[in-house]
Amino acid sequence: DVKVTQSSRYLVKRTGEKVFLECVQDMDHENMFWYRQDPGLGLRLIYFSYDVKMKEKGDIPEGYSVSREKKERFSLILESASTNQTSMYLCASSSGTGDDEQYFGPGTRLTVT
Amino acid sequence: AQSVTQPDIHITVSEGASLELRCNYSYGATPYLFWYVQSPGQGLQLLLKYFSGDTLVQGIKGFEAEFKRSQSSFNLRKPSVHWSDAAEYFCAVGAGNTNAGKSTFGDGTTLTVKP
Repeated sequence: DVKVTQSSRYLVKRTGEKVFLECVQDMDHENMFWYRQDPGLGLRLIYFSYDVKMKEKGDIPEGYSVSREKKERFSLILESASTNQTSMYLCASSSGTGDDEQYFGPGTRLTVT
Repeated sequence: AQSVTQPDIHITVSEGASLELRCNYSYGATPYLFWYVQSPGQGLQLLLKYFSGDTLVQGIKGFEAEFKRSQSSFNLRKPSVHWSDAAEYFCAVGAGNTNAGKSTFGDGTTLTVKP
């Protein structure tokens, strides 16, 4: 089974802190994604990556950056956390072979105070 | 651009009753269509998917969905709902291997199951 793991289930940070959210997949998938999920807004794509060191902005990239130094790991970085970044963050991966079913991690609930 | 609409934000059904969750999509070519389920506090899990072929697809947990090109719909159905089906359901449309496998998700439908 594909497994996507996220470094933390719950995280509490202070405004202005730099925050790292880590995601690791174990199926050699080409594509990886970061979403945020807020009530009533569904899943919104922040960034995605289709290869090592390759990344593209999604629909809401402002205030975020990403890093993909190794194929299995995709990190989301909040350079200076703000309270409006309090949310559930979901990481996903897909094979890149044409079947773009996505496999999701359990999510990180981030609270910025 | 692709888009997905799930018209029902919240649906309540009695246990044992049938269920249909609606999904309408907008996409210029033949879409890749998905239904995912999210239990409370969890990530999303794929229920079923449609790429081509038979327009009625079977998924896990007794769910099925029917692709209707003329209506741009991909509605999810289950003949008899169980209490454990209470969750949030997301419809998604993708573009296959183009566009890095991105999918666009609907806003979700929350299912409540009454005993």
